[in-house]
Amino acid sequence: DGGITQSPKYLFRKEGQNVTLSCEQNLNHDAMYWYRQDPGQGLRLIYYSQIVNDFQKGDIAEGYSVSREKKESFPLTVTSAQKNPTAFYLCASSIRGSNQPQHFGDGTRLSIL
Amino acid sequence: AQSVTQLDSQVPVFEEAPVELRCNYSSSVSVYLFWYVQYPNQGLQLLLKYLSGSTLVKGINGFEAEFNKSQTSFHLRKPSVHISDTAEYFCAVSQSYNTDKLIFGTGTRLQVFP
Repeated sequence: DGGITQSPKYLFRKEGQNVTLSCEQNLNHDAMYWYRQDPGQGLRLIYYSQIVNDFQKGDIAEGYSVSREKKESFPLTVTSAQKNPTAFYLCASSIRGSNQPQHFGDGTRLSIL
Repeated sequence: AQSVTQLDSQVPVFEEAPVELRCNYSSSVSVYLFWYVQYPNQGLQLLLKYLSGSTLVKGINGFEAEFNKSQTSFHLRKPSVHISDTAEYFCAVSQSYNTDKLIFGTGTRLQVFP
C-alpha cells in the first residue's frame, strides 16, 4: 500500500532541544512538503523540495531545517530557535506540477514540556 | 499575490440537510483549485479538484464543487450530509504556471448534528 508515513505521532520537547520529525513516502513522488497547522490558521508552508538534494524555504522557515538526501525521505528538524514550536506538523508529497494534488501523512503533534 | 478565503469558520447543519461551504480566491493568472477534508488528528484527504473543462466537479463521498471564474469562487456542496461528514474542510489554490506550492484557506469546520 503506497502512502506517506510520519513518525512519531506525538512528540514532546524540552526547552532548548532540537527535535527531528520523520517523513517517508513510497509513492515515488519527486516533490515533498512540510506544513505547520495551528487552530484557525489553516496550513502554512515551512519548506518544500522538488527534487533530491534541493529544497526551498516556505512562508515560515525560521527556526526549522530540512534535508533531502533520498527521494523517499524529507525529515524536518525543529530547532531551539523556533520560539513557538507547539503545533501539528503535516508532511505531503506530490508528482511535480502545479496541477497535481498533494498526498498527506497523518501528522505529528509536537508539544513543549 | 494569491490568497484563499473561506468565509465561514464553522458551519452547523442537521443530518440529511444540504450544505454549502464557501471558498473565494484571488489571483491574476489561471489557477487550479482543490478541496481537502481533514478528520480529527489525521492528515488531509483530497475530495476533488478543478483543473480545466467542466466547471462542475464531482468528488468523493457525494461532494461536488462549482468553479465560477467571474466570481472567483469554488464553493463545495453536498445535497444531504451524514454524521460522518463532520470534519474540517480546506480549499486550496495553485497557479497554473508557478511552482508546485498550494495556498490553503483557513478551513471550515462542518459539524453535522443528528
